[in-house]
Amino acid sequence: DGGITQSPKYLFRKEGQNVTLSCEQNLNHDAMYWYRQDPGQGLRLIYYSQIVNDFQKGDIAEGYSVSREKKESFPLTVTSAQKNPTAFYLCASSILAGVDEQYFGPGTRLTVT
Amino acid sequence: DAKTTQPPSMDCAEGRAANLPCNHSTISGNEYVYWYRQIHSQGPQYIIHGLKNNETNEMASLIITEDRKSSTLILPHATLRDTAVYYCIVRVKAAGNKLTFGGGTRVLVKP
Repeated sequence: DGGITQSPKYLFRKEGQNVTLSCEQNLNHDAMYWYRQDPGQGLRLIYYSQIVNDFQKGDIAEGYSVSREKKESFPLTVTSAQKNPTAFYLCASSILAGVDEQYFGPGTRLTVT
Repeated sequence: DAKTTQPPSMDCAEGRAANLPCNHSTISGNEYVYWYRQIHSQGPQYIIHGLKNNETNEMASLIITEDRKSSTLILPHATLRDTAVYYCIVRVKAAGNKLTFGGGTRVLVKP
């Protein structure tokens, strides 16, 4: 089965801790994205990557970091600098960035207390 | 990317067609209209996109007005599983360009 997997589905952390969210795809897509969604709101872009070893900031990158060492993987680290980290995080991929439709993973709901 | 305006919510009867409107009066000539939907607590799902001509696939039809300032997504026979938030997005197909999700339309399909 081809698709995007995110793990875990639910994640709980204490304030002040960094946490890394996993995103893996086996669609052979070049581009990958991270979005954040708050209750009742649309998605906001955090970071995206067009190709391995390259990534760009989205609209709300502060307090987040990413890496793209492999085509299949695009992990997101929520650092302690992120003031309101509790949210629903969605990973997506597309064949090419900005051109093709995006396919989304099931999301990770992060709660920081 | 052009801004879009959608009604915040609408109800639809199961088995009937659902017509979801979207206004994009500032759309430019090279911007496409995309539709995604998001079922509660899941990732968004791509539905369809178009530039000028009407488009149809196994999920829905997209009708774009001649002046391209508005469009309608049609779900021909709505089912309870079509209950979701539907997002209309206008964007240029260009390398590195991103999707910008607004508030969308919350569609409730009722039995």
